[in-house]
Amino acid sequence: NAGVMQNPRHLVRRRGQEARLRCSPVKGHSHVYWYRQLPEEGLKFMVYLQKENIIDESGMPKERFSAEFPKEGPSILRIQQVVRGDSAAYFCASSWDSQNGKLFFGSGTQLSVL
Amino acid sequence: AQRVTQPEKLLSVFKGAPVELKCNYSYSGSPELFWYVQYSRQRLQLLLRHISRESIKGFTADLNKGETSFHLKKPFAQEEDSAMYYCALSGRETSGSRLTFGEGTQLTVNP
Repeated sequence: NAGVMQNPRHLVRRRGQEARLRCSPVKGHSHVYWYRQLPEEGLKFMVYLQKENIIDESGMPKERFSAEFPKEGPSILRIQQVVRGDSAAYFCASSWDSQNGKLFFGSGTQLSVL
Repeated sequence: AQRVTQPEKLLSVFKGAPVELKCNYSYSGSPELFWYVQYSRQRLQLLLRHISRESIKGFTADLNKGETSFHLKKPFAQEEDSAMYYCALSGRETSGSRLTFGEGTQLTVNP
């Protein structure tokens, strides 16, 4: 069991480009969470998804950000028209159960916007 | 609204000394509290949760609802305890296992 896999580990984009971050949860986990960590700050919740459904996107910026977790394949966090302020570490976590608070985290994707 | 505060960004102790990492929270409902740890070059992982009332690697944490605190304690720190520690909160009224994290405390245990 390889755990939560995120790719790429590092992603460099120029302002205005699109960034696509991928997350494969632990095998058998159907709950996926995305968090963002800005420099010198803690992890901030962005979105919670189950297979094919967005359950809670209250932490997502209203524009340019979207997330999906299709029936087949990894979860994708998509940022359109990136700006310098989007530079951060993006972490994905998965869980088997929706209530026990035990999340398995990936190693994160470091997004740098030039 | 949920909020978790870890007042110390950095904490340094000597090996064998007691250590306490502070965590305070604010939440109007019934909270569940967790400690997550990130060792150097490793992923963030669950250390312990208050509902289990367990001791992991010698660490314990007691939920004090009167003081709204969930401090992490260990009587005798070891060098391998050096890591980043995050306190986290989940509310029964919130969705799934969504967690609100504090900003973390970097613990360094010196030889």
